[in-house]
Amino acid sequence: AQKITQTQPGMFVQEKEAVTLDCTYDTSDPSYGLFWYKQPSSGEMIFLIYQGSYDQQNATEGRYSLNFQKARKSANLVISASQLGDSAMYFCAMREAGFSGGYNKLIFGAGTRLAVHP
Amino acid sequence: DTAVSQTPKYLVTQMGNDKSIKCEQNLGHDTMYWYKQDSKKFLKIMFSYNNKELIINETVPNRFSPKSPDKAHLNLHINSLELGDSAVYFCASSPTSTRNEQFFGPGTRLTVL
Repeated sequence: AQKITQTQPGMFVQEKEAVTLDCTYDTSDPSYGLFWYKQPSSGEMIFLIYQGSYDQQNATEGRYSLNFQKARKSANLVISASQLGDSAMYFCAMREAGFSGGYNKLIFGAGTRLAVHP
Repeated sequence: DTAVSQTPKYLVTQMGNDKSIKCEQNLGHDTMYWYKQDSKKFLKIMFSYNNKELIINETVPNRFSPKSPDKAHLNLHINSLELGDSAVYFCASSPTSTRNEQFFGPGTRLTVL
């Protein structure tokens, strides 16, 4: 079963506008973590933001915020004031606690390619 | 610089050859990982080591053998390379903590001809 679903293969946004990248997840574990990574065309994986399942508030990191709706099992990434340099692939990932004796792997979604237009 | 580094960045080789990719992290993390990113950009974990001990071993052909000489290094050796092994291989590391944020290396693009 798909654990992480990113339904938008591609998105585009005008520079300086906000954009939301969707992510839904599936887990029966009460303790888990959700991550967003950015992969620009140069190929490296850049950590953006983290949300723990028990965190009371939505995570924010600069222009990035995570819209965490636990009951709906969604963890959408919001990028405010888009910049040309935001053009990249964006991956949502989930870490389940208690896997393999307490050590964890990340399960990734298929990614969303974001293009920021001037 | 503190980081996760991988060598080589690019690797082009013939089918049937044996090759290795090296990974080193100087972040003081206890856990290291190998991920494979296929041509469709899908990322999947292959292996994970914690303090030199193998803790995650996904369904990976036994032609792939990870080796961790110490907790700062995790190498990946691939025997009898096949066309389907062409991919980008990422090394990552994380501290042992609730958050377990993983820091990725720059990736190694392997092309098997």
